[in-house]
Amino acid sequence: DAGVTQSPTHLIKTRGQQVTLRCSPKSGHDTVSWYQQALGQGPQFIFQYYEEEERQRGNFPDRFSGHQFPNYSSELNVNALLLGDSALYLCASSLVTDYNTEAFFGQGTRLTVV
Amino acid sequence: AQSVTQPDIHITVSEGASLELRCNYSYGATPYLFWYVQSPGQGLQLLLKYFSGDTLVQGIKGFEAEFKRSQSSFNLRKPSVHWSDAAEYFCAVGAPEGSYIPTFGRGTSLIVHP
Repeated sequence: DAGVTQSPTHLIKTRGQQVTLRCSPKSGHDTVSWYQQALGQGPQFIFQYYEEEERQRGNFPDRFSGHQFPNYSSELNVNALLLGDSALYLCASSLVTDYNTEAFFGQGTRLTVV
Repeated sequence: AQSVTQPDIHITVSEGASLELRCNYSYGATPYLFWYVQSPGQGLQLLLKYFSGDTLVQGIKGFEAEFKRSQSSFNLRKPSVHWSDAAEYFCAVGAPEGSYIPTFGRGTSLIVHP
């Protein structure tokens, strides 16, 4: 089992550009959550996807959007990038029907906006 | 809304010494509580979790944590620290209702001296 995989591992973008990050959940998991972790901070919840729909959303602007595919993989899209969007973006997968299920995290995508 | 406070940004201990990392949470009812560890360049790994029952929780890598409702605390402990324990530690709180969405503290960086 490969666990949660994220791609790419590192990315450099210019202000105003758009970026897409990808996540494949752990086998058997149906729910994907995205987090932003700024340097020296804890992860901040962006949104969660289940059954290809956004279930919950944190306090992030509409520039942040996502998608979940039938195979449960997910994408995070960020439009009109700002310097402040530079962060480690983490994906976590879990099983929605079991709240005792551990959420597994990927290694993250390090996004640098210049 | 739930929140987490980790009052110590950095903790330095000698190898073999005992460790306690502090975590205080804010939530109106009994929360779900978690401790995660993040090594440099890595995602988050779950050390232990508390949902209900015994307030002393055993985790992986020799860690334990105790839920104290009266103090709204969930401190992480280890009797003897190893050099490989040097990492960032995050406490998180999740609301039992709805889906699994943990709110993270800002983290405590553990430095281990030989």
